[in-house]
Amino acid sequence: SQQGEEDPQALSIQEGENATMNCSYKTSINNLQWYRQNSGRGLVHLILIRSNEREKHSGRLRVTLDTSKKSSSLLITASRAADTASYFCATDTGRRALTFGSGTRLQVQP
Amino acid sequence: GAGVSQSPSNKVTEKGKDVELRCDPISGHTALYWYRQSLGQGLEFLIYFQGNSAPDKSGLPSDRFSAERTGGSVSTLTIQRTQQEDSAVYLCASSLEGQGTGNTIYFGEGSWLTVV
Repeated sequence: SQQGEEDPQALSIQEGENATMNCSYKTSINNLQWYRQNSGRGLVHLILIRSNEREKHSGRLRVTLDTSKKSSSLLITASRAADTASYFCATDTGRRALTFGSGTRLQVQP
Repeated sequence: GAGVSQSPSNKVTEKGKDVELRCDPISGHTALYWYRQSLGQGLEFLIYFQGNSAPDKSGLPSDRFSAERTGGSVSTLTIQRTQQEDSAVYLCASSLEGQGTGNTIYFGEGSWLTVV
């Protein structure tokens, strides 16, 4: 199985609600990153959290990291229709290229 | 250029033909990555170049796949004797330095390959 696994696989919410996506991984990491992908094309970097950090904020995004549980969560507050996309976590172990999970497909209903 | 550039954007090829996909990384970026993404799936790592080090080819699915990076810049991914299961989006990315440094990696828009 992959180093990073997101859940849920798909999430549908109403505009204005919060969306929470989770990521679990297996081996120790240097950092964990979240990316967004629209329409199956290039990914866009959202936020990076280092292994010695527990929480990080960027605008409406909040990321947490629990290295003891080998898990991370991405929270999008006050969601908008434009947030509809696939979201991927990626783990950086420093030993090889970034490893991506299979993603969460978020649908925000207007 | 301002971002990672990939060509072609779309390629339809007949089974058994060879294809070449090109990636122009962001100028000055020492690390370059190739990933593959099948429809609705996650990203599958293929190959990683970092500076002058030997590339990490551990993700290449078969010996039909190869990649090179000339002059530490442009990279070409070659798929020989294409099969239908090779149909996917091939994503290239680059970063200023290699993994473990916390650098953001920047993706191109991908090359959508369809093998018929």
